[in-house]
Amino acid sequence: DTEVTQTPKHLVMGMTNKKSLKCEQHMGHRAMYWYKQKAKKPPELMFVYSYEKLSINESVPSRFSPECPNSSLLNLHLHALQPEDSALYLCASSPRPLRASNEQYFGPGTRLTVT
Amino acid sequence: GQQVMQIPQYQHVQEGEDFTTYCNSSTTLSNIQWYKQRPGGHPVFLIQLVKSGEVKKQKRLTFQFGEAKKNSSLHITATQTTDVGTYFCAGLRTSYDKVIFGPGTSLSVIP
Repeated sequence: DTEVTQTPKHLVMGMTNKKSLKCEQHMGHRAMYWYKQKAKKPPELMFVYSYEKLSINESVPSRFSPECPNSSLLNLHLHALQPEDSALYLCASSPRPLRASNEQYFGPGTRLTVT
Repeated sequence: GQQVMQIPQYQHVQEGEDFTTYCNSSTTLSNIQWYKQRPGGHPVFLIQLVKSGEVKKQKRLTFQFGEAKKNSSLHITATQTTDVGTYFCAGLRTSYDKVIFGPGTSLSVIP
């Protein structure tokens, strides 16, 4: 299995809702990432988990809360989002944390719209 | 902060023409990766360059890493419509903490 899966594919939520994005990989990768991507822009790093521990938080607002229940799963909990948070949210994984081979495998993303 | 820049931002070519995108970092990189994102898709890893002056080829694609490890290029020979997409370079900082994506070059191929 060489893919990263993400659910849901699309999500529309109001500013008072709470929702979660899910990401799963079965490649045995020990680093997992959340990125945010706006149209015609590069992916913007949000969080990095290395060996199931949060290693990087790119000063992301607390309305985004990551969770890594185990080495295969990564969640992003969303609460009280703003319309400007509408974007494509990408999950990625890599075999080892960045110090070694670090090509990243991206999932298809969740297209989030905040109304 | 560290920046990774790419030129051009957009490139429109006739099918069969060559294409090159350039990536430049403000500081020395540990390595550089290239990704391709098709319209409506997600980034797909193409290659990683680690050594100074390294050149790698994948069929019609040629990747180079500069001697100073601050710049890189991707050259596509005889473009095809399947090459359409945005090409991102991504540099790993020497502190090994994270990868910095360039803004990307969007390639359109006119049949």
